[in-house]
Amino acid sequence: DAGVIQSPRHEVTEMGQEVTLRCKPISGHDYLFWYRQTMMRGLELLIYFNNNVPIDDSGMPEDRFSAKMPNASFSTLKIQPSEPRDSAVYFCASSTTGTGYGYTFGSGTRLTVV
Amino acid sequence: QKEVEQNSGPLSVPEGAIASLNCTYSDRGSQSFFWYRQYSGKSPELIMSIYSNGDKEDGRFTAQLNKASQYVSLLIRDSQPSDSATYLCAVINSGGYQKVTFGTGTKLQVIP
Repeated sequence: DAGVIQSPRHEVTEMGQEVTLRCKPISGHDYLFWYRQTMMRGLELLIYFNNNVPIDDSGMPEDRFSAKMPNASFSTLKIQPSEPRDSAVYFCASSTTGTGYGYTFGSGTRLTVV
Repeated sequence: QKEVEQNSGPLSVPEGAIASLNCTYSDRGSQSFFWYRQYSGKSPELIMSIYSNGDKEDGRFTAQLNKASQYVSLLIRDSQPSDSATYLCAVINSGGYQKVTFGTGTKLQVIP
């Protein structure tokens, strides 16, 4: 099993540009989560999906953030326009009943907005 | 607000000692509890899960749960320098969907 796959690993972009982060969950996992981690705030849940349907997006900071899950094997998190305060590590995680709902995290995308 | 509280540390223990990490949670209806380990610059890794009161052992790790006190702990026996990491307590809140709330983590330093 390849685990949860995220791309890119690092992204440096200029303020105002669009950023798209990608995630492939573990096959068979029916939950997918997007988290953001910073030193100041720790791990913050942005949005999560169950069977490709968004369940709770209350953690999405602003309308500049959007997420989609068009099928069971792919999700995107988009920031448009990006701002320096969006700089963080963004993690995708997936889970299912068989794991007792413990998460498997991807390697993360380190986003730097200059 | 459903919260998970941890002492941020750092917690320093000598090599070979027992490290004790503690966590409290506010949602009395929570049923599932996890410990994740996160090395610097890496993603969190699930190391223990516990669902019922009492102790659960896995190698050098023991998770302890006391739902009446809303308290979860992780004991690491024979601590090794490779155990130096941040340990995150996580709780699945009541309310249906499998949404996890994470604590801010305790940084553990094992001194050789």
